[in-house]
Amino acid sequence: EIVLTQSPGTLSLSPGERAILSCRASQSVSGSYLAWYQQKPGQAPRLLIFGASSRATGIPDRFSGSGSGTDFTLTISRLEPEDFAVYYCQQYGSSLFTFGPGTKVDIK
Amino acid sequence: QLQLVQSGAEVKKPGSSVKVSCKASGGTFTTFSNYPICWVRQAAGQGLEWMGGIIPISATPNYAQKFQGRVTITADESTRTVYMELSSLRSEDTALYYCARDPGLPVKAFDIWGQGTMVTVSS
Repeated sequence: EIVLTQSPGTLSLSPGERAILSCRASQSVSGSYLAWYQQKPGQAPRLLIFGASSRATGIPDRFSGSGSGTDFTLTISRLEPEDFAVYYCQQYGSSLFTFGPGTKVDIK
Repeated sequence: QLQLVQSGAEVKKPGSSVKVSCKASGGTFTTFSNYPICWVRQAAGQGLEWMGGIIPISATPNYAQKFQGRVTITADESTRTVYMELSSLRSEDTALYYCARDPGLPVKAFDIWGQGTMVTVSS
């Protein structure tokens, strides 16, 4: 089973700043089946990025994903007030899904 | 537009079982039946954990190893409903349980989520 590690655990930033979130896999993620989600308190997760770099429907272009193999990054170019939330990465391989532990982006 | 509507909160005793439903509304027959519906749980203040899933039209489930032998996922195409039954409940199973749709290749992620069902295991 592929284990995902996310860093940092918490990222404290101000609105307008750039956020860079990391997701590292214990083995290469096949087909770049790596996704990112945003979750706010009391809400279900929201799909942001799939296939490592493709934005889901309706996701603003300030969200971008990159990476391949074992190292992936989610970048939020300029943080808006509504972007402060927890972000999870998720991979798919061998008919299994696994999630990372999450990165909390909070207001500095 | 497909929506997933889950059954209400449950309180269960340790050792018992719980069955949670996830009913599709809207969308077309194929947007429900042809794509995996999975279950993901989240304990309070914790991360997301994939439990398993099923493609309704095939009715063949797939489970995470951690839950093998304790979870059963089934689908009823006629009512567009997927069920998740978890047995031998313990306090650590207290969590919010979500159903979510995987739209298949090339996405292999979860684009539509239910509202979540809180399951509390307490004596």
